[in-house]
Amino acid sequence: DAGITQSPRHKVTETGTPVTLRCHQTENHRYMYWYRQDPGHGLRLIHYSYGVKDTDKGEVSDGYSVSRSKTEDFLLTLESATSSQTSVYFCAISDRATEAFFGQGTRLTVV
Amino acid sequence: AQSVTQLGSHVSVSEGALVLLRCNYSSSVPPYLFWYVQYPNQGLQLLLKYTSAATLVKGINGFEAEFKKSETSFHLTKPSAHMSDAAEYFCAVRGETGANNLFFGTGTRLTVIP
Repeated sequence: DAGITQSPRHKVTETGTPVTLRCHQTENHRYMYWYRQDPGHGLRLIHYSYGVKDTDKGEVSDGYSVSRSKTEDFLLTLESATSSQTSVYFCAISDRATEAFFGQGTRLTVV
Repeated sequence: AQSVTQLGSHVSVSEGALVLLRCNYSSSVPPYLFWYVQYPNQGLQLLLKYTSAATLVKGINGFEAEFKKSETSFHLTKPSAHMSDAAEYFCAVRGETGANNLFFGTGTRLTVIP
């Protein structure tokens, strides 16, 4: 596996609480991504980063924010979790000439 | 805009039979196309990729895919299914901006019947 670590792997949280998911890479890849996976939707891009402090929105970014203060770390924050954000979240990394490599996922349940 | 359509959310085949998983894409530029496999409770693993070289692409575990521009298709095949092939398969196309992000199909769950 590519050097990607997601934490936590599982989390249960209450509606309205903030939640932060972490993605850590050891590959020094420029691009980092957060996707969510939901039945019937495949994977959809939430946010991505193309460098330290350079981030942009994906197709399902409402309710999420991200930060990248170091090349190796990309954080996804749910400011106020809702039940619709119950999902499996995947971090991915790539460089311009390579395919994307995925982490093992974080299963988030909002109750 | 780029997108991918996977026909058939569930496919069942007998062990030893041909596997055919369908993917059609939409892209206004020459596409980069990918097939990923996901086993239960795991991340996505790259099976193969098309990056404008040979139209017939061979991947891991005996899978291959053929890029057909005239049909805007990139179907995944394997001559003989094995029990270990049971998984979910995703087709994806690279986005047209500089972000390198992928647009995924909705996935096809492959069941292999003994």
